[in-house]
Formats: sequence, structure tokens, C-alpha cells
Amino acid sequence: DTAVSQTPKYLVTQMGNDKSIKCEQNLGHDTMYWYKQDSKKFLKIMFSYNNKELIINETVPNRFSPKSPDKAHLNLHINSLELGDSAVYFCASSQGATNEKLFFGSGTQLSVL
Amino acid sequence: RKEVEQDPGPFNVPEGATVAFNCTYSNSASQSFFWYRQDCRKEPKLLMSVYSSGNEDGRFTAQLNRASQYISLLIRDSKLSDSATYLCVVTDTGGFKTIFGAGTRLFVKA
Repeated sequence: DTAVSQTPKYLVTQMGNDKSIKCEQNLGHDTMYWYKQDSKKFLKIMFSYNNKELIINETVPNRFSPKSPDKAHLNLHINSLELGDSAVYFCASSQGATNEKLFFGSGTQLSVL
Repeated sequence: RKEVEQDPGPFNVPEGATVAFNCTYSNSASQSFFWYRQDCRKEPKLLMSVYSSGNEDGRFTAQLNRASQYISLLIRDSKLSDSATYLCVVTDTGGFKTIFGAGTRLFVKA
């Protein structure tokens, strides 16, 4: 069983569309994250949720809205997609809020045309 | 100054070689330190934690120097399968935020 699974793996869409990426973890972890890895390969944290509560919200446009229906799920909804949103988005989880060890999903390659 | 800086490489080494990567971090109050490995088009995976006393896991040795704000990773007897990008990772004072370096690319050749 995959520990952290995210879907879809690839997402190709037009500018201005709205899209969602789903993430689920079966590790029983309390904390989940969304990271963005751009073309220069920098991995940057976007959001962090601990037990469904938002604990980190980096300078991310309001078009990005995370939703955590329960501690095993953290979805990412993006409105009005822009060219600059093209990147690989990784979901991750860790046992506690102090993210000692991160377990990543396999990533979603988002391409905005 | 970037929060976590690494030499991007690439490092091209023959099989069996010993290779060392360095990383510096800017926040002296940083709490935890790690090396992650990322294969091409894959997710990052934890390689090892880094402690001030130094720690070893098989062919891999990690070292932390808090005074110099410097982290290192030594790989002995390199294998073809070691080819990957190695990410230096630091958590902030509270441990809530994880900061990744841009990574060092390693190519091990036969």
C-alpha cells in the first residue's frame, strides 16, 4: 500500500481553469503538507495542516486553497490557473507538527498552457 | 543569502569513489537537520538525519557543525545507484517549517 498517495499524477490544463489535487496518507500521521517544486528544482512549503488545523501558510496566492476534511486527507484547490503555476506539487506527511521526517507522495506534474 | 545553500554540482565520479557534499544554513537557531535523496522525476526520500555527534549509515556519513552552520554528507565506495540529487534540509526554530536546499546532483559512472 502506498503510504502517501496523490492524484492525479499529471494535470494539463488551460490558463484560467480551476483544478484540484487530492492527497491521502495511511500512516496515521497528524501533519500533512503541500510543497511546490519549480523548474529550478527548489522545493518550497506552501501549507501545513496539523490535525485538520492550518499551521503554516506561506506567501501563497489566495487562488490556492487547501482543504483538510480529516487528518488523513489534504486536498489542494487552485482557482484561475496561471502559467507560473506550472510545477510539480508534492503532498507530504509527518508524525507530529514538528516535521522530523517527511514522507512524500509521488507528485503531481501540473502544466498550465 | 539563501536559507540553505548547496553546491548544485553536478558531481561526476567513478564507481568506488568517495564524494562529499556540503551545505550551509543561515539561521543559527535551526533545530533539525537531514539529508534527503531525490531521483529524477521522483519524490524526495529521507536518507538520514544529521546530528552534532556525526552519524553513519553504511557507506553514508553525515556531520553537523553548529558553530559554522555547516552540514556535510560523505558517500564512500559510490555505486551507480547513488546517482541522484541530494537535498540538504533544515527545520526552523520551532520545527514547524522545513527548508530545502536546491540540491546537489551526483552522477556515478561505471
